[in-house]
Amino acid sequence: NAGVTQTPKFRVLKTGQSMTLLCAQDMNHEYMYWYRQDPGMGLRLIHYSVGEGTTAKGEVPDGYNVSRLKKQNFLLGLESAAPSQTSVYFCASSYPNNREELDEQFFGPGTRLTVL
Amino acid sequence: ELKVEQNPLFLSMQEGKNYTIYCNYSTTSDRLYWYRQDPGKSLESLFVLLSNGAVKQEGRLMASLDTKARLSTLHITAAVHDLSATYFCAVSHYQGAQKLVFGQGTRLTINP
Repeated sequence: NAGVTQTPKFRVLKTGQSMTLLCAQDMNHEYMYWYRQDPGMGLRLIHYSVGEGTTAKGEVPDGYNVSRLKKQNFLLGLESAAPSQTSVYFCASSYPNNREELDEQFFGPGTRLTVL
Repeated sequence: ELKVEQNPLFLSMQEGKNYTIYCNYSTTSDRLYWYRQDPGKSLESLFVLLSNGAVKQEGRLMASLDTKARLSTLHITAAVHDLSATYFCAVSHYQGAQKLVFGQGTRLTINP
């Protein structure tokens, strides 16, 4: 199993450009999440999905859109990139269950995005 | 609104010494996670703490949870250079889905 994978690993955009980040998981997890990590601020939740065809806003959703057309994929879109969106983006997935080993979030390797 | 605070944010220590990282959170939660992150890498799960008084140990790391005080600690015993990393605590709350709120992270540097 590859676990959680993210594409691309690095990207440089100019202000106003758009792009899509892809997250894929092969663990049959129901829940998927997008976070951003900025220096000194830990990870913050952008959007999440509790199943195929569903999405919801997290803590910092402005400027981003998401889609979950297939259970294994969760896409994060930047409609018009801004320098404030320069960050490292992490995707995570989990399976909803009260048993601790199934409730854990598994993280992808991250995408480093720079907006000039 | 759930807030999670770690301290210290930066910690430089010598090999062989003991130290503790603290994680305070503002509202009731039933589970807390500790993660490790190496530079340029993803997050690696270290511990899941599910109940008051929970204590887990792995090698030189030990984590504990006091839900009444809303406090978790990560204790490092006889530190070695390989433990140099950034450590995050994350507190779970359920609102439509299990959501994690992360602390700012503690950057730990262990010097020979």
